[in-house]
Amino acid sequence: QKEVEQDPGPLSVPEGAIVSLNCTYSNSAFQYFMWYRQYSRKGPELLMYTYSSGNKEDGRFTAQVDKSSKYISLFIRDSQPSDSATYLCAMRMEGGGNKLTFGTGTQLKVEL
Amino acid sequence: DGGITQSPKYLFRKEGQNVTLSCEQNLNHDAMYWYRQDPGQGLRLIYYSQIVNDFQKGDIAEGYSVSREKKESFPLTVTSAQKNPTAFYLCASSTLGHATYEQYFGPGTRLTVT
Repeated sequence: QKEVEQDPGPLSVPEGAIVSLNCTYSNSAFQYFMWYRQYSRKGPELLMYTYSSGNKEDGRFTAQVDKSSKYISLFIRDSQPSDSATYLCAMRMEGGGNKLTFGTGTQLKVEL
Repeated sequence: DGGITQSPKYLFRKEGQNVTLSCEQNLNHDAMYWYRQDPGQGLRLIYYSQIVNDFQKGDIAEGYSVSREKKESFPLTVTSAQKNPTAFYLCASSTLGHATYEQYFGPGTRLTVT
């Protein structure tokens, strides 16, 4: 079993839809939870970051962490075609030598 | 412009040849990383380095080698011992610290070995 599980998709939604992307994990030592966005043939870029449990909102994006369930989510409101990308969750432990553990990524397509 | 550069963008090699992928950063970051990305596998860590002249194996180091002679440079050599080298290779860098969470990625090199 992988430490971080993520549905690979692809996920196709109409423009304006609310998108929910999720990851589950098994290592209870993870404390930092990130979402990276990766456009086709590009390197990933950090989208959202949350420390420990709770919610964080940034514009149309909301990240949620439920450590009791070992479950994290990224919500995208009013999705746009420019949101079409692969979304990777990533996690790290306190300390842990800066090593990140990534999910497999979910491919999202927002259609006009 | 601060960032990470990887070259070349596309690389083609014959089986049995070693090949070196370049990674340079001007962000003054101490830590650098190499990942491999395959469809359905996500990013897997090959090697990482936190200081010049020192590096550690990641999860899939077999068939790869690295060097860190300068802070800004972290080249990756894919050797002929790597059984399945065709993949998208990503280099990243970050600051060091117990609360560091962001890694900055380069644009990647797509290696095809036939």
